Amino acid sequence: DAGVTQSPTHLIKTRGQQVTLRCSPKSGHDTVSWYQQALGQGPQFIFQYYEEEERQRGNFPDRFSGHQFPNYSSELNVNALLLGDSALYLCASSSWGDTQYFGPGTRLTVL
Amino acid sequence: EDQVTQSPEALRLQEGESSSLNCSYTVSGLRGLFWYRQDPGKGPEFLFTLYSAGEEKEKERLKATLTKKESFLHITAPKPEDSATYLCAGRAHSGNTPLVFGKGTRLSVIA
Repeated sequence: DAGVTQSPTHLIKTRGQQVTLRCSPKSGHDTVSWYQQALGQGPQFIFQYYEEEERQRGNFPDRFSGHQFPNYSSELNVNALLLGDSALYLCASSSWGDTQYFGPGTRLTVL
Repeated sequence: EDQVTQSPEALRLQEGESSSLNCSYTVSGLRGLFWYRQDPGKGPEFLFTLYSAGEEKEKERLKATLTKKESFLHITAPKPEDSATYLCAGRAHSGNTPLVFGKGTRLSVIA
């Protein structure tokens, strides 16, 4: 049984560009949550998708947006990249209200 | 504001030297205290969920406990492969509220 998968593994962008990160949840899970983890910090909640709708959102600007598809996979889009957006982006999947399982992450570097 | 604080920030142990990591929380209506292990550059790996004060869970050399204000992760006779960052997270209220993470404790076990 495949766990949570994310792509790409690493990404390098320049300031002002846009990026799309992808996540496939664990089999049987219907909820996807996205987190940003800066170096030496704990993950910070960005937003959560369930039934193709954004259900909850953390303290992140509108430059961060997402989508969930009918097969429960999800995308995270970040527009107008800033140097401070450099981080490990984590996707976590779960059944509604249950334990969250994380993917390996996407390392984004903004130059 | 919901908050999770972990201590110490870093811990260095000799192989076989038991110790405990602390996680104190102020999370409204706690509905789950979670422990994860994270290796460098990887996504967090789920370890335990605790729901009520007095609850204990064990896995190999790890035991997690919960009180009304804090949780402990006890490591008995650690081995070098236990070296990792251990993250604690709380979930507030009910439903699928997001996880609030601490900054983690970076554990190094020296042979």
